Amino acid sequence: KQEVTQIPAALSVPEGENLVLNCSFTDSAIYNLQWFRQDPGKGLTSLLLIQSSQREQTSGRLNASLDKSSGRSTLYIAASQPGDSATYLCAASGTASKLTFGTGTRLQVTL
Amino acid sequence: SQTIHQWPATLVQPVGSPLSLECTVEGTSNPNLYWYRQAAGRGLQLLFYSVGIGQISSEVPQNLSASRPQDRQFILSSKKLLLSDSGFYLCAWRGQGIYNEQFFGPGTRLTVL
Repeated sequence: KQEVTQIPAALSVPEGENLVLNCSFTDSAIYNLQWFRQDPGKGLTSLLLIQSSQREQTSGRLNASLDKSSGRSTLYIAASQPGDSATYLCAASGTASKLTFGTGTRLQVTL
Repeated sequence: SQTIHQWPATLVQPVGSPLSLECTVEGTSNPNLYWYRQAAGRGLQLLFYSVGIGQISSEVPQNLSASRPQDRQFILSSKKLLLSDSGFYLCAWRGQGIYNEQFFGPGTRLTVL
């Protein structure tokens, strides 16, 4: 059974800092790994999708990497802004494209 | 472009009452559909998924059921709600093909009193 862990659970950084969020998964037989953002009381917004054959994906200030063999993914956020404050979730996709989610990292970017 | 709708946005129901939450997807055909629940302080849990009309797979034993009467409609139901059914319910869709992204709706906040 796939298990996904995210550390840290919460993170507070000053505006402008670069930061890394970590995600680890126990079963390396995944089709892809997806990173989401969730604002309080809202649904999930897809940020990046990394296919199992890929090593990384970039979108603007976001860069996600995937190392299947070690069961790890990271989300790098460059030059953080207060608007980046949210909970970030990673999810590993297995059979029937069912996603197994981590418990998330709650990020606060302060002025 | 594709959009996904959920309603109602919020719902307060007494214990023992029935439930019906609806999810519809526009701009795509034959999507895979999913129901998740996010309880307070806990992660997202997959409840049901569907790969086609009338095809429902349940992930966890519970007080809820799901139905897919039309290609782009997914309904979550209960005959008698329990306190433990409270939570944030999210519907998601994904195109056919194992490498596609999942996209989520805005969610329904259910409080059972």
